[in-house]
Amino acid sequence: EIAMTQSPATLSVSPGERATLSCRASQSVSSNLAWYQQIPGQAPRLLIYGASTRATGIPARFSGSGSGTEFTLTISSLQSEDFAVYYCQQYMSWPPFTFGPGTKVDI
Amino acid sequence: EVQLLESGGGLVQPGESLRLSCAASGFTFSTYAMTWVRQAPGTGLEWVSSTSGAYTYYGDSVKGRFTISRDNSKNTLYLQMHSLRAEDTAVYYCAKNIISMPGAFDIWGQGTLVTVSS
Repeated sequence: EIAMTQSPATLSVSPGERATLSCRASQSVSSNLAWYQQIPGQAPRLLIYGASTRATGIPARFSGSGSGTEFTLTISSLQSEDFAVYYCQQYMSWPPFTFGPGTKVDI
Repeated sequence: EVQLLESGGGLVQPGESLRLSCAASGFTFSTYAMTWVRQAPGTGLEWVSSTSGAYTYYGDSVKGRFTISRDNSKNTLYLQMHSLRAEDTAVYYCAKNIISMPGAFDIWGQGTLVTVSS
């Protein structure tokens, strides 16, 4: 089973600032990596798949990079609606599909 | 509009059974793999089960107790849960996979809460 870790656990930023979130896989997942955003009380929303492809309707301020075991989600200029928990998920080797523990982005 | 709507959650006692449903609309349901993901209170996301064509896949924590199925004529995904335990308490989300094989999940329902408690 591929284990996913994320850092930091909490990221405190101000609106307009840049946020960089990290995700690491215990073994290579190639580019089979997705990022999700979850606002409290809501369902997760797919942001990025294939490590760097934005999902439909996702603003350009969200970008993903990386391959193998190291991945980054960058939010170029935080908006108020971006304060949420972000999860990475691998779909290289399954079952099981595995998620990271999440990074909370708050003010 | 692409939409998933879960139902069937509720309060059950340990050892009991429950069946969740997920009604899909706005896309060709039969074409895509479908998945259940759960989230225990205050915790992260846990993959539960996926179905792709004739194939089904389960997480170790539910294998042998849960059964995923789909009725393509009704555009509905199901999760039959038996021998429920307190640790199965969670919000259960159904999710559409991006393609016909399980992978990334691009559309999620609003979730249905399952509480297992005596």
